[in-house]
Amino acid sequence: DIQMTQSPSSLSASVGDRVTITCRASQGINNFLAWFQQKPGKAPKSLIYAASSLQSGVPSKFSGSGSGTDFTLTISSLQPEDFATYYCQQYDSYPLTFGQGTRLEIK
Amino acid sequence: EMQLVESGGGLVQPGGSLTLSCAASALTFSSNSMTWVRQAPGKGLEWVSSISRSGDNTFYADSVKGRFTISRDNPKSTVYLQMNSLRAEDTAIYYCASGPTGAMALDHWGQGTLVTVSS
Repeated sequence: DIQMTQSPSSLSASVGDRVTITCRASQGINNFLAWFQQKPGKAPKSLIYAASSLQSGVPSKFSGSGSGTDFTLTISSLQPEDFATYYCQQYDSYPLTFGQGTRLEIK
Repeated sequence: EMQLVESGGGLVQPGGSLTLSCAASALTFSSNSMTWVRQAPGKGLEWVSSISRSGDNTFYADSVKGRFTISRDNPKSTVYLQMNSLRAEDTAIYYCASGPTGAMALDHWGQGTLVTVSS
């Protein structure tokens, strides 16, 4: 199974900040890497697919990069609605696996 | 955009059974694989099962293999998850997900349905 390791597990930032979340796969995943945002009591929402492609309707403040086994999600100019939990996920092979999540909190 | 609506969750005793349904709105239902993902209270996301576009191929997490069965009815645009021999650790919100951006992509998610296994 492919293990997905996210860091940090939690992050405290201020409105207007730029933050980066890292995700590492235990083996190459051919850039089949997605990022999700989840707010309390809500279903996950897809932000990024194929490591760097923005989902339709997602603001350009969200960006994904990386290749091979190392990937990042960057969120610029944080707004109150961006404080949530973020997950990475590989969809290169079954079993599909998720990172443990990064909780982004307001400082 | 595909809309997904899950149903069938509820309270069930350990050892019991439950069948979840996920109805899709998109005419492209049969073009996408379908996936169930669950989230235990206060925990992260866990993949449960997936089914190919035709239904010929199914995949399961080790934690549910032999107990859960995924199936789909393409004319009804619905995917099912039959859950048998339920355990307390199966308690979770169950989401169905799918998407057009890749064979196993999870672009669109339903709102989820809560399954509680307790006596």
